[in-house]
Amino acid sequence: DTGVSQNPRHKITKRGQNVTFRCDPISEHNRLYWYRQTLGQGPEFLTYFQNEAQLEKSRLLSDRFSAERPKGSFSTLEIQRTEQGDSAMYLCASSATETQYFGPGTRLLVL
Amino acid sequence: AQTVTQSQPEMSVQEAETVTLSCTYDTSESDYYLFWYKQPPSRQMILVIRQEAYKQQNATENRFSVNFQKAAKSFSLKISDSQLGDAAMYFCAYRSTSGTYKYIFGTGTRLKVLA
Repeated sequence: DTGVSQNPRHKITKRGQNVTFRCDPISEHNRLYWYRQTLGQGPEFLTYFQNEAQLEKSRLLSDRFSAERPKGSFSTLEIQRTEQGDSAMYLCASSATETQYFGPGTRLLVL
Repeated sequence: AQTVTQSQPEMSVQEAETVTLSCTYDTSESDYYLFWYKQPPSRQMILVIRQEAYKQQNATENRFSVNFQKAAKSFSLKISDSQLGDAAMYFCAYRSTSGTYKYIFGTGTRLKVLA
């Protein structure tokens, strides 16, 4: 069990660029979650997958955000036309039961 | 909609002493899970303890225990014999047992442990 991994760990981009983050869950976990966390705040739910199906998406997630989980394995989160307000830590978590396990996160800075 | 509230932005405790972190939540459901997660500085979030709402017995994990008051919708975390390594952000979280499997987190409590 290697845990949940996320890449890259850090990303600096200019406003208007697109970015893509990857999450590799624990291998037997069928649920995968994406969160956004800003400084001093708790994780804010963005979306989650059960296997390859995206079952719920936050109303806060604008059309610039899209997530995929092809074949129910790894997942990608893409942000198009980034804005300075997108600067945050993006966390991925996976679960097979009621307990979810978090990755180290990808810290995004939009200049 | 469910909400989770942590009213203590920051707490301090002397090493070896006991501290209690507060969490309240709001839900109309009768069955759910509650969690405490720990996020050390610049490190990933890890589970501290979880409680199933249908179980009356309070969960315990070594030095960590909870006081679950279902009627009051309160879920506090007690840390006994505090250690320097306990210094972290602590988040309370809620998850339903039916319908959506999404987790709702509180805003966190920063715990400082004083030597």
